[in-house]
Amino acid sequence: SAVISQKPSRDICQRGTSLTIQCQVDSQVTMMFWYRQQPGQSLTLIATANQGSEATYESGFVIDKFPISRPNLTFSTLTVSNMSPEDSSIYLCSVAGVDTGELFFGEGSRLTVL
Amino acid sequence: DQQVKQNSPSLSVQEGRISILNCDYTNSMFDYFLWYKKYPAEGPTFLISISSIKDKNEDGRFTVFLNKSAKHLSLHIVPSQPGDSAVYFCAASGGTYKYIFGTGTRLKVLA
Repeated sequence: SAVISQKPSRDICQRGTSLTIQCQVDSQVTMMFWYRQQPGQSLTLIATANQGSEATYESGFVIDKFPISRPNLTFSTLTVSNMSPEDSSIYLCSVAGVDTGELFFGEGSRLTVL
Repeated sequence: DQQVKQNSPSLSVQEGRISILNCDYTNSMFDYFLWYKKYPAEGPTFLISISSIKDKNEDGRFTVFLNKSAKHLSLHIVPSQPGDSAVYFCAASGGTYKYIFGTGTRLKVLA
């Protein structure tokens, strides 16, 4: 399994600001994913980020609100733009296992928007 | 519409006994299923998986059972240990890495 590090682990943000979350993986991976877990809810896929191509967003998520970068095979960022209290969530980076069907997750970034 | 459901938000089990966590799904195209454990302030940790070509997969204290006709899977933990106390998520996909997660079941193992 890959070791996945996320920064920041938590932050408190003001309404209307933007925050960028970083995800670093200790090995090269093709597919990276960004999930959100709102309080008391399930994990919801925001987008798939493959190196060298535009991120693919799931229904209900748009690039203007959640721009993603994937500059190389070990790193990705997710920006939460123009935040509102409804964006208060845990944001999780994940990668697909090599030759397996499993996903491996980072420790998550807990955002609180005031 | 919730395609993957964990109808029990919480479960308490005595240490040493069996914990059974249930998960139901609605999409018959799902063919790969995962179970995760999540501690507070940590990311989900992968536990065990099962493909639709199997009805059982075992790894140590963890066994997952799949009943395709009922669209139901369950995770058995035996014997349960206090360190197993966490939130457990099931997840399902249909041939891609796009997993749909259940809402989780909080397991508490009582010493």
